[in-house]
Amino acid sequence: GDSVTQTEGQVALSEEDFLTIHCNYSASGYPALFWYVQYPGEGPQFLFRASRDKEKGSSRGFEATYNKETTSFHLQKASVQESDSAVYYCALGGPASSSFSKLVFGQGTSLSVVP
Amino acid sequence: EAAVTQSPRSKVAVTGGKVTLSCHQTNNHDYMYWYRQDTGHGLRLIHYSYVADSTEKGDIPDGYKASRPSQENFSLILELASLSQTAVYFCASGDSNYAEQFFGPGTRLTVL
Repeated sequence: GDSVTQTEGQVALSEEDFLTIHCNYSASGYPALFWYVQYPGEGPQFLFRASRDKEKGSSRGFEATYNKETTSFHLQKASVQESDSAVYYCALGGPASSSFSKLVFGQGTSLSVVP
Repeated sequence: EAAVTQSPRSKVAVTGGKVTLSCHQTNNHDYMYWYRQDTGHGLRLIHYSYVADSTEKGDIPDGYKASRPSQENFSLILELASLSQTAVYFCASGDSNYAEQFFGPGTRLTVL
């Protein structure tokens, strides 16, 4: 079945550091790829989505590029802030043309940013 | 603003007891979902629904039932709660299978 793997379980950075969270997927066909963010005590929030190869999704300074060749969708941010501390989830879903597609989430990556 | 609310926000249940978790959305979305969150597993889909009076099994439906009496309401039912069902449960809604999902604040369930 479809799956998503996030390499890092936890990431610790200082403010203004560069962030990369790795996400690789395994799926048949041409899935849509998502990033969600979850702040403490809240439910996950949609960050952005990409639907086709080489498409870049971005929001709030975060970005990721759909790479079908390497089956990856790595999250990056040039300069993190303490307020970015949260858990980040990569997810995949079916293409818009499918009758139904569930989201399959990765295990999540906990980001901690210290001043 | 779109909103998904869950009740209760936390609950302690006894093994073998019945638990009902409720979810209400004001987004006018057709799709509703129940997930459970466990450390190391991320979010896993339990049940979902795309129309009132109809529910479908997700990836981990065993031990859970769901009910969608109206477009706005979606319940998760644990008929015989077990220790292994201790987790945080999230409800979500979306307006299509492809769109972003809006999550509620979660219910922390502890089964003793």
